[in-house]
Amino acid sequence: GGIITQTPKFLIGQEGQKLTLKCQQNFNHDTMYWYRQDSGKGLRLIYYSITENDLQKGDLSEGYDASREKKSSFSLTVTSAQKNEMAVFLCASSINWGASQNTLYFGAGTRLSVL
Amino acid sequence: GDSVTQTEGQVTVSESKSLIINCTYSATSIGYPNLFWYVRYPGEGLQLLLKVITAGQKGSSRGFEATYNKEATSFHLQKASVQESDSAVYYCALSDASSGSWQLIFGSGTQLTVMP
Repeated sequence: GGIITQTPKFLIGQEGQKLTLKCQQNFNHDTMYWYRQDSGKGLRLIYYSITENDLQKGDLSEGYDASREKKSSFSLTVTSAQKNEMAVFLCASSINWGASQNTLYFGAGTRLSVL
Repeated sequence: GDSVTQTEGQVTVSESKSLIINCTYSATSIGYPNLFWYVRYPGEGLQLLLKVITAGQKGSSRGFEATYNKEATSFHLQKASVQESDSAVYYCALSDASSGSWQLIFGSGTQLTVMP
């Protein structure tokens, strides 16, 4: 088995601040993902990385940057936090990108609040 | 584009009663999408409950079942007798290879509360 660790669990920021969320996985999976979840809505894909050194934009990439520093880690940066923004950010990984029936494994999430 | 619809945001059921959580989908694939149910138990990360990749087939896990109905474009989640430990948020999802993207599209989730 493996685990996905997201840090921090809670993140409080100020309007306009740059904020970074981190994710580590020990599954040795090739592909990693960042999703955003707003209350009452489904998960929306922000960025994904098919393999180390790769970055792909999802449907919600505007306002975010991402970095795949190494195979096991994938960071997400909120480039300018929006006032009153509240959301949960979920990191996930899958064995690879090659099959649409792959299972995704998720971390517990980072809950963001912007004052 | 592809979409997944879960009409109930919250469902409350008494222990030992039957359950159905509705899910319908729309996909642009010329084939058929893969369908999934993910679940998040309190304090835990989202995890796969079951998946079905062939139209007409049924998936099952932990007493839950879901049948891939391509005519109705539905993938409803059912359980004959729920337990308090089934209280969680359930997400229906699909992946569609039509655009070569493979990404998962999620519904908005259904919060299940099982009353003792």
